[in-house]
Amino acid sequence: GAGVSQSPSNKVTEKGKDVELRCDPISGHTALYWYRQRLGQGLEFLIYFQGNSAPDKSGLPSDRFSAERTGESVSTLTIQRTQQEDSAVYLCASRQPGQGRSYEQYFGPGTRLTVT
Amino acid sequence: GQQVMQIPQYQHVQEGEDFTTYCNSSTTLSNIQWYKQRPGGHPVFLIQLVKSGEVKKQKRLTFQFGEAKKNSSLHITATQTTDVGTYFCAGSGSARQLTFGSGTQLTVLP
Repeated sequence: GAGVSQSPSNKVTEKGKDVELRCDPISGHTALYWYRQRLGQGLEFLIYFQGNSAPDKSGLPSDRFSAERTGESVSTLTIQRTQQEDSAVYLCASRQPGQGRSYEQYFGPGTRLTVT
Repeated sequence: GQQVMQIPQYQHVQEGEDFTTYCNSSTTLSNIQWYKQRPGGHPVFLIQLVKSGEVKKQKRLTFQFGEAKKNSSLHITATQTTDVGTYFCAGSGSARQLTFGSGTQLTVLP
């Protein structure tokens, strides 16, 4: 079966423009996560979706960042008025339903965002 | 909030030497996961530890979860060039998300 897919794989944008990143989780995975990974750094949690529950947005760094998820499928991460410090790889991960946090996360290949 | 510290940040070893990375949490964890990220790749799940004092082995890799469930380690015996990459621990506490450590970047010199 297909894994987590993300698009685009690379995105170069000018400072001030809006960008939209897409994540297609593994079918049947109700949990979906977005992370940001700056060059040579660890993974920074951004947002978490679980089924129809309210998303956990506690990791979003500013109100320029937002994310949506349609049911238990595709998710989009939107960054408005991009800044150079937004340059990073944005990783999406999904997890199968289960007891809370007891299952591994499957990561997509990421979207490398470069803001010039 | 929950913080997960990981040391060392970088480690260079000669092929055949052992390697260990350590992970410490500011709070008690319900479980801890380990991931490996190859250069240019994305994190891939290695293992999950749940029980206090748990030890799990995968070939040359040994994972431990501390008695207090606040620390963990990954030990690789006799490293090979295929072990190159960044190893992340990720802890789960009371919140629903995982908190990742900053990772240990392993370089294996042939």
